[in-house]
Amino acid sequence: VQLVESGGGLVEPGGSLRLSCAASGFSFSTYSMNWVRQAPGKGLEWVSSISTSSSHISYADSVKGRFTVSRDNAKNSLYLQMNSLRAEDTAFYYCTRAYCSGGSCYWASDFWGQGTLVTVSP
Amino acid sequence: EIVLTQSPGTLSLSPGERAALSCRASQSVSSSYLAWYQQKPGQAPRLLIYGASSRATGIPDRFSGSGSGTDFTLTISRLEPEDFAVYYCQQYGSSPRTFGPGTKVEIK
Repeated sequence: VQLVESGGGLVEPGGSLRLSCAASGFSFSTYSMNWVRQAPGKGLEWVSSISTSSSHISYADSVKGRFTVSRDNAKNSLYLQMNSLRAEDTAFYYCTRAYCSGGSCYWASDFWGQGTLVTVSP
Repeated sequence: EIVLTQSPGTLSLSPGERAALSCRASQSVSSSYLAWYQQKPGQAPRLLIYGASSRATGIPDRFSGSGSGTDFTLTISRLEPEDFAVYYCQQYGSSPRTFGPGTKVEIK
């Protein structure tokens, strides 16, 4: 299992970024996925989740209306479109796989990428 | 929103000692959908425990999880040098899927 995030960088407040996560080593289309972020030196914050067919999507209140999660199962890729960025969005953004056990799947994360850093600053 | 509180904030122990980390929820966590993660500096978190008490693949049996409802515990029976890290709990039974603030286990 490998998850590789990309698309992070420095952006001004109010700007936009699109993060990507390339998945390999497993059947991507059969797993739900998450985005989790971590401000430098701080704790973990769940950002968003998306089900296998994109039929179930949820967001943290802190990003609702500004961030959009999507996936392309044909390309084994997960995305996070981030608009109206704020200084408090500065963080490492991790792409994670939701785990499955005994034929059922749940929203905790059994595999994590290494993260991509988003810095929002003038 | 379910708020998770972890205690203590920092645990200072020696290798070979037993560690008990607490995670308390502001309301009942449905179906014991509670996970524990370990994070070392510069690394992504690693899943240790899911479903409150099930060890993830490859996790040594010195790690165990227990609890239900609002009170959960991660126990490390005998600390190895590689176990000194920060530990987070997460509830994933309801949205938002909140994390606790973490407990740092440091070498005494």
